[in-house]
Amino acid sequence: KAGVTQTPRYLIKTRGQQVTLSCSPISGHRSVSWYQQTPGQGLQFLFEYFSETQRNKGNFPGRFSGRQFSNSRSEMNVSTLELGDSALYLCASKPGTSNYNEQFFGPGTRLTVL
Amino acid sequence: DQQVKQNSPSLSVQEGRISILNCDYTNSMFDYFLWYKKYPAEGPTFLISISSIKDKNEDGRFTVFLNKSAKHLSLHIVPSQPGDSAVYFCAATLYGGSQGNLIFGKGTKLSVKP
Repeated sequence: KAGVTQTPRYLIKTRGQQVTLSCSPISGHRSVSWYQQTPGQGLQFLFEYFSETQRNKGNFPGRFSGRQFSNSRSEMNVSTLELGDSALYLCASKPGTSNYNEQFFGPGTRLTVL
Repeated sequence: DQQVKQNSPSLSVQEGRISILNCDYTNSMFDYFLWYKKYPAEGPTFLISISSIKDKNEDGRFTVFLNKSAKHLSLHIVPSQPGDSAVYFCAATLYGGSQGNLIFGKGTKLSVKP
């Protein structure tokens, strides 16, 4: 099975712009979660989508949003970018039918905000 | 308030010896724990997990120990190999349907010297 894929791998934006990141989960996986990794805060949970519905949400401002499509692919959007949004954004998938399934991560999208 | 803590940012071990990575948590409701390994420019890779109903789980060279009364878990790697050099993240999750996200520690960088 192909792993989790994320596009683009690298992105440079300026403050105030918006950005959309894409994630394709492992085939058959219905749950997609997004995480932000920064040197200071480590890996922090953004949100989880399951069957096109947001099932869980972390403690991030409303500028961070996401959606999931019927084929389980997911997108994450960040509006009005700030310098502090520079981070590695990781997507993870799992079957979604049990909370005990380990999550499989993609390689991430490195976002730099100038 | 960090719910999952990895107090050692780095660890250096000689090849062939045992590596012990530690993790503490504060939320007694956590009931499933995972270890991930991360190489630079890659997403985290799942290593091993343990349910709170167990106190030990083994998979090849990797063993995870859980001490619920101390809210402490550890990952043992025996014998350590240079290829094990990476950042190791401890993660925890809550049972309950909507609480499927992983809460990560900030990681421990393991260096295995030949």
